[in-house]
Amino acid sequence: DAGITQSPRHKVTETGTPVTLRCHQTENHRYMYWYRQDPGHGLRLIHYSYGVKDTDKGEVSDGYSVSRSKTEDFLLTLESATSSQTSVYFCAISPGLGIAGRNEQFFGPGTRLTVL
Amino acid sequence: GQNIDQPTEMTATEGAIVQINCTYQTSGFNGLFWYQQHAGEAPTFLSYNVLDGLEEKGRFSSFLSRSKGYSYLLLKELQMKDSASYLCAVRDGGTYKYIFGTGTRLKVLA
Repeated sequence: DAGITQSPRHKVTETGTPVTLRCHQTENHRYMYWYRQDPGHGLRLIHYSYGVKDTDKGEVSDGYSVSRSKTEDFLLTLESATSSQTSVYFCAISPGLGIAGRNEQFFGPGTRLTVL
Repeated sequence: GQNIDQPTEMTATEGAIVQINCTYQTSGFNGLFWYQQHAGEAPTFLSYNVLDGLEEKGRFSSFLSRSKGYSYLLLKELQMKDSASYLCAVRDGGTYKYIFGTGTRLKVLA
C-alpha cells in the first residue's frame, strides 16, 4: 500500500473557524490532490499540486486554499468554515511518470469534517 | 463541458457476471480509470485503459471505446466482498487532472 496518511481523521468544528487538514506521503510522488466526496456528487477536485510550491485550482476551489512547502506534505485550509463544507475529504497522490504512463492515484484514508 | 455518467445503483447475485457502464464527454482524454470503494473506505485502483479494447485482470475486465466515449467494467464470479461503489474516472488531456463520475453502488446478494 502507498504510504499516505491524513490528519485529523475526524473533526467537528463551528461555522467561521479556520480548519487545516494535513496529507503526508512517504512515496516521493510528485502529484498530490485534495478531493471532497459528497452523496450524489462523487469525488470533486478542490486543488492539486504538481511540485513543491506549485499548485492549481480544481472545480470546487472557492473557500479553500492549499500549500505545499515539502514534497511529502500537502495542506488544505478552510479559512472560515461553512456548513456547506461538511464532507469527507480525501487526499491522493500520483507518481507523475510522464504523460504516457499509467499514473494511477493512491488515496489516503479520508478525513470526515463536520461544520456546525 | 466535462461529464461522466454511470448508473447509480446495480444489484446482482453471487456467482453471476455484472457489467458497469461509463460514458464520458471531456475536453481531453488521456486514460480511463476504474476504482473500487467500499463503504467508509478510500478508493483503490482497479484498472486502466488508454487504448481501445479489453484489459483483463483476474475476475475483473475493463473495456474502452474512445470513439464512442464509452467504457465498461466487467466483474465475473461475483463474491459478497465485491459489494462496493465503482468509480469511473478520466484523466484530462495533457494534464494530471482526473474527473470522476458519481460512482455505481453494487450490491451482491447471496
